[in-house]
Amino acid sequence: SAVISQKPSRDICQRGTSLTIQCQVDSQVTMMFWYRQQPGQSLTLIATANQGSEATYESGFVIDKFPISRPNLTFSTLTVSNMSPEDSSIYLCSEENTEAFFGQGTRLTVV
Amino acid sequence: AQSVTQLDSQVPVFEEAPVELRCNYSSSVSVYLFWYVQYPNQGLQLLLKYLSGSTLVKGINGFEAEFNKSQTSFHLRKPSVHISDTAEYFCAVSAGTGFQKLVFGTGTRLLVSP
Repeated sequence: SAVISQKPSRDICQRGTSLTIQCQVDSQVTMMFWYRQQPGQSLTLIATANQGSEATYESGFVIDKFPISRPNLTFSTLTVSNMSPEDSSIYLCSEENTEAFFGQGTRLTVV
Repeated sequence: AQSVTQLDSQVPVFEEAPVELRCNYSSSVSVYLFWYVQYPNQGLQLLLKYLSGSTLVKGINGFEAEFNKSQTSFHLRKPSVHISDTAEYFCAVSAGTGFQKLVFGTGTRLLVSP
């Protein structure tokens, strides 16, 4: 089974600032996925990150707000830009879905 | 596109009783199906998954689920629950070809009482 590590595990940020979340997988994977879980809600896919190409964003999510990097087959970052309290959520990364393991998530609170 | 419906937002049950959490999906193509558990203030843990083969899938912590293609269902069951099973349970589906995104249901909160 894959091991997915996310950093930071939690953070409290001021509105208007940005936070970069890191996701490390212990094996090479073609695709990585970033999800958001708003308080009391289910998970929604933000984007799919494929190494060597731009991320593919889901409806309602844009690159300017959630820029993603995928520099190699084991690592990805998600930045939450110009944060507002509405961005307070848990952000989770996952790898190729037939294994479907998730990191422990980053709990973000924007004040 | 795929979608998932978890009809029960909350299921209360007494300890040692059996439980079934319902999940129905919609898809025009073959699917992969997953159940996850989320304990308070924790991430997602994979309980079990159906990719192909036997329609009865056994997972961790004594849970099992049965894939029913004709009824487009993937209900989760446990014959005897424990207090420690109190958590949020999410059903998820993806297209069963290649690497695809997961679409999640809205979740079912299982509340186990003594």
